[in-house]
Amino acid sequence: AQTVTQSQPEMSVQEAETVTLSCTYDTSESDYYLFWYKQPPSRQMILVIRQEAYKQQNATENRFSVNFQKAAKSFSLKISDSQLGDAAMYFCAYAQNNAGNMLTFGGGTRLMVKP
Amino acid sequence: DTAVSQTPKYLVTQMGNDKSIKCEQNLGHDTMYWYKQDSKKFLKIMFSYNNKELIINETVPNRFSPKSPDKAHLNLHINSLELGDSAVYFCASSQVSRNTEAFFGQGTRLTVV
Repeated sequence: AQTVTQSQPEMSVQEAETVTLSCTYDTSESDYYLFWYKQPPSRQMILVIRQEAYKQQNATENRFSVNFQKAAKSFSLKISDSQLGDAAMYFCAYAQNNAGNMLTFGGGTRLMVKP
Repeated sequence: DTAVSQTPKYLVTQMGNDKSIKCEQNLGHDTMYWYKQDSKKFLKIMFSYNNKELIINETVPNRFSPKSPDKAHLNLHINSLELGDSAVYFCASSQVSRNTEAFFGQGTRLTVV
């Protein structure tokens, strides 16, 4: 079974600074997807970024980028120029290809942004 | 238009009752899901359903059952509610054939008293 681990229960960052959230996963599969979801206090789950395992290039979405290390099974999220609105729970998730896209989530990291 | 909508947003009920949470998606996706988020924020898949196949997480009690009247709806029925069922339940959908990411509803906070 696949597992996803987020080793940082809480992180804080100064506004406008950069922060990196860690995620590791365990799988014996080679074809899968990785995601970062954001959950603000509103409770809504919002997709931040996704990475296909077959792609070597790291995904980027504006201020959000990932460092995908397939051999190390590591998938960290970097948030640049942090904004107050980035404060939320962040969940790393894994989905195996051709298996119905069911997500396995990490335990989450609560990000606080200091003004 | 809301892509994935759940009703109700909040549900408070007594132990032993039977309740349902409704979910609708207007994205034309082929697969719908139910996830449970516990008090420690941990999210776990409960069901996946794509019109042909229902996949059940083996840890889910059989008091929980998904019902799909059509491709756009996947409702969650819970019988004989227990205190431990208190959680936030999320519906989601995706187009598995195109490997799209999952889109989530806003969640239903269920409180069993």
